[in-house]
Amino acid sequence: DADVTQTPRNRITKTGKRIMLECSQTKGHDRMYWYRQDPGLGLRLIYYSFDVKDINKGEISDGYSVSRQAQAKFSLSLESAIPNQTALYFCATSDPLTAAYEQYFGPGTRLTVT
Amino acid sequence: QKEVEQNSGPLSVPEGAIASLNCTYSDRGSQSFFWYRQYSGKSPELIMSIYSNGDKEDGRFTAQLNKASQYVSLLIRDSQPSDSATYLCAVGSQGNLIFGKGTKLSVKP
Repeated sequence: DADVTQTPRNRITKTGKRIMLECSQTKGHDRMYWYRQDPGLGLRLIYYSFDVKDINKGEISDGYSVSRQAQAKFSLSLESAIPNQTALYFCATSDPLTAAYEQYFGPGTRLTVT
Repeated sequence: QKEVEQNSGPLSVPEGAIASLNCTYSDRGSQSFFWYRQYSGKSPELIMSIYSNGDKEDGRFTAQLNKASQYVSLLIRDSQPSDSATYLCAVGSQGNLIFGKGTKLSVKP
């Protein structure tokens, strides 16, 4: 089984809808991250969490919110989706006790907002 | 604004040749450096990490770090068509990674 899983893998939604992307990990890592990737813009950090009670905004948090339900689960919500949130979304994890900066990515969610 | 710069490519090399990928970074305090490989439509995969000046070899891959010049490079020896992908340079800074936009590598049979 994959260490970092994301659901759904693909989603098409309409403008104004609320949508949640979920990330689960079995790696036992404390740190979790949400990124979006757009062609030509690279990976951009949306939110990150260093533990269950520590959640921080990244470079592009506007229009997004997150919830860290447990060490293993980190969800990203789009409260009212808009077309420019169409992108590939990745969750990642890292272990501060061994290699804090080595991040391991989930398979991604391709989100299309029409 | 801390930045990581890479040539976007595409970099095209013949099969069996050495591919050389380069990256520069702006945060002089960074101590952790990584290369990720990303196939089209897939997630980034960590292939190399380097923390000290000099070379680090792992199979056909060699990462090179020069902190004084603020650059990191990745050499891929005996390039194979399966190496065709986008390579992302990432630099650790203040608890997070800053990613370059990636260099697209194409290995021609």
